[in-house]
Amino acid sequence: QVQLQESGPGLAKPSETLSLTCTVSGGSISSDSFYWGWIRQPPGKGLEWVGSIYNSGSTYYNPSMKSRVTISGDTSKNQFSLQLTSVTAADTAVYYCATSFNWGLFEYWGQGTLVTVSS
Amino acid sequence: DIQMTQSPSSLSASVGDRVTITCRASQSISTYLNWYQQKAGKAPNLLINAASSLQSGVPSRFSGSGSGTDFTLTISSLQPEDFATYYCQQTYSSPLTFGGGTKVEVK
Repeated sequence: QVQLQESGPGLAKPSETLSLTCTVSGGSISSDSFYWGWIRQPPGKGLEWVGSIYNSGSTYYNPSMKSRVTISGDTSKNQFSLQLTSVTAADTAVYYCATSFNWGLFEYWGQGTLVTVSS
Repeated sequence: DIQMTQSPSSLSASVGDRVTITCRASQSISTYLNWYQQKAGKAPNLLINAASSLQSGVPSRFSGSGSGTDFTLTISSLQPEDFATYYCQQTYSSPLTFGGGTKVEVK
């Protein structure tokens, strides 16, 4: 069974860069069997797809954030990461990493980590 | 972007009730429609993919149907553990988009 765990600072300042890491066990991020993604959820609101990475290299981003988002993989650590630049209060959310065998589907999820953007 | 609209946004029901949640896509998405359940403070859990395929381990009281633009999630007999928020999601095209959610509350 694939397990995922998000880590990173819980607080980011406006205009700075939010950086999160997802550590994976039970599956390899370099495998072409899995798609790995980030989804966020502002407090009390719905789910928003941020972006995904496949086979450690191919990336897909939500156009609403595309200019600010980078998702990358570190095969040596079996981790993938999210960087979101120029954050504002609107980026305050619980950020989840998730994965599945099928594009766009999210079958396995991390527990989520709350990132608050505030000065 | 494909917009996903769920209705109702919330509903009150009792244990044993039959519950139906609707999801409508802004354009045809064939059966590229998934349903998730989310309990308070927890990550979403995939219930149904491809509109009607029940994930392993999901109780058979959950079922999904539909194709094109209109989809439904049905809980045939609501159980105490089913009180949660439900989201639909389309995987027909990028960006992946979710419905706004339907909160199922105790009546």
